[in-house]
Amino acid sequence: SAVISQKPSRDICQRGTSLTIQCQVDSQVTMMFWYRQQPGQSLTLIATANQGSEATYESGFVIDKFPISRPNLTFSTLTVSNMSPEDSSIYLCSVQQAGRGEKLFFGSGTQLSVL
Amino acid sequence: AQKITQTQPGMFVQEKEAVTLDCTYDTSDPSYGLFWYKQPSSGEMIFLIYQGSYDQQNATEGRYSLNFQKARKSANLVISASQLGDSAMYFCAMRETLSNTGKLIFGQGTTLQVKP
Repeated sequence: SAVISQKPSRDICQRGTSLTIQCQVDSQVTMMFWYRQQPGQSLTLIATANQGSEATYESGFVIDKFPISRPNLTFSTLTVSNMSPEDSSIYLCSVQQAGRGEKLFFGSGTQLSVL
Repeated sequence: AQKITQTQPGMFVQEKEAVTLDCTYDTSDPSYGLFWYKQPSSGEMIFLIYQGSYDQQNATEGRYSLNFQKARKSANLVISASQLGDSAMYFCAMRETLSNTGKLIFGQGTTLQVKP
């Protein structure tokens, strides 16, 4: 399967600051997604990262809070803006890899703690 | 609406024995995919196995197999010959393929502990 590198792996941030998370894939993928996993919870889709256009956000998530970029087929970033303690979560990128059908693979995740 | 249900918050299994993790789903879409992921304490999500709704045979990947019962809308994960490294959280998830959104709906997860 594709190697999905996610950076940083973890971070501790101050309230009111922003953090940008990077997701790099070693091969072309057809679709890229960003998920959030709040403590003790399951995963929730934040948005679909579209190449060269604005991301498609799920209900409850907005671009001003979670701006996403995807400049090419193998790279995407998620920014968590104006952070509060409620943003403390694991953030994961997910990809659908060309030639692997419907299977979706995840990066190693970013564990974010906001003080 | 899509829904995934995992009714076992926690499970124990003796090392080297087999264990079944339950998953039921609900969808009105005739085309869908079912996934199982493993999440160790490190937080990464490890893909284990995939079953398409039109697949005729149950999926298998090494020690993992998926007991797919379409009429009952269940997709249970069977882990054979459990190992200590299998201790983790396990998530069942579903994707409606016709919509092509790629969105996965996850269950609440089952924590598996393997006893030596």
